[in-house]
Amino acid sequence: GDSVTQMEGPVTLSEEAFLTINCTYTATGYPSLFWYVQYPGEGLQLLLKATKADDKGSNKGFEATYRKETTSFHLEKGSVQVSDSAVYFCALSEPNTGNQFYFGTGTSLTVIP
Amino acid sequence: DVKVTQSSRYLVKRTGEKVFLECVQDMDHENMFWYRQDPGLGLRLIYFSYDVKMKEKGDIPEGYSVSREKKERFSLILESASTNQTSMYLCASRPSGGTSTDTQYFGPGTRLTVL
Repeated sequence: GDSVTQMEGPVTLSEEAFLTINCTYTATGYPSLFWYVQYPGEGLQLLLKATKADDKGSNKGFEATYRKETTSFHLEKGSVQVSDSAVYFCALSEPNTGNQFYFGTGTSLTVIP
Repeated sequence: DVKVTQSSRYLVKRTGEKVFLECVQDMDHENMFWYRQDPGLGLRLIYFSYDVKMKEKGDIPEGYSVSREKKERFSLILESASTNQTSMYLCASRPSGGTSTDTQYFGPGTRLTVL
């Protein structure tokens, strides 16, 4: 069945460091891929998405490229800020499974000044 | 902007109590979802609904039921709360007739503690 695997956390970085959070997926068809962010005490909100192979999603300085050959959708940011401290979830959705969402377990990021 | 609201941010209940968690969305979405979020386990789907009075079990429905009497409202019911149901509960909605490219919109969550 469909699943999403993302790197274990927690991740602690200094301000302005480079961020990578790895995400790989298993899907039976052609999924859309998403990154969600959850700030402390809040629900999840969409950060970015990509709907087909080689698409790049981007938002707020974050980027992720849909790599079909490696079934990956790694999240990157060139220079993190304290305000980026949050939990990040990778997710997929595809028609074969009724467009149900499958989420990774989440990666907690803390950015220190 | 899509808005999904949940009736309580924090809730404390006793073992054996009947608990109602309410979720309301204001964008006429047909699809609504209840998840629970636990550390190390991510989000797990409890129930979802594609239409009024329609419900489908998710991955972990045991101990829960749902009600969808109106399109905008989706309620999660814990018939007899137990301590292992202490968790963060998240409601989400998705556009009607959604394709796999459509995102889900989440409420702020209800942190439920069962004593």
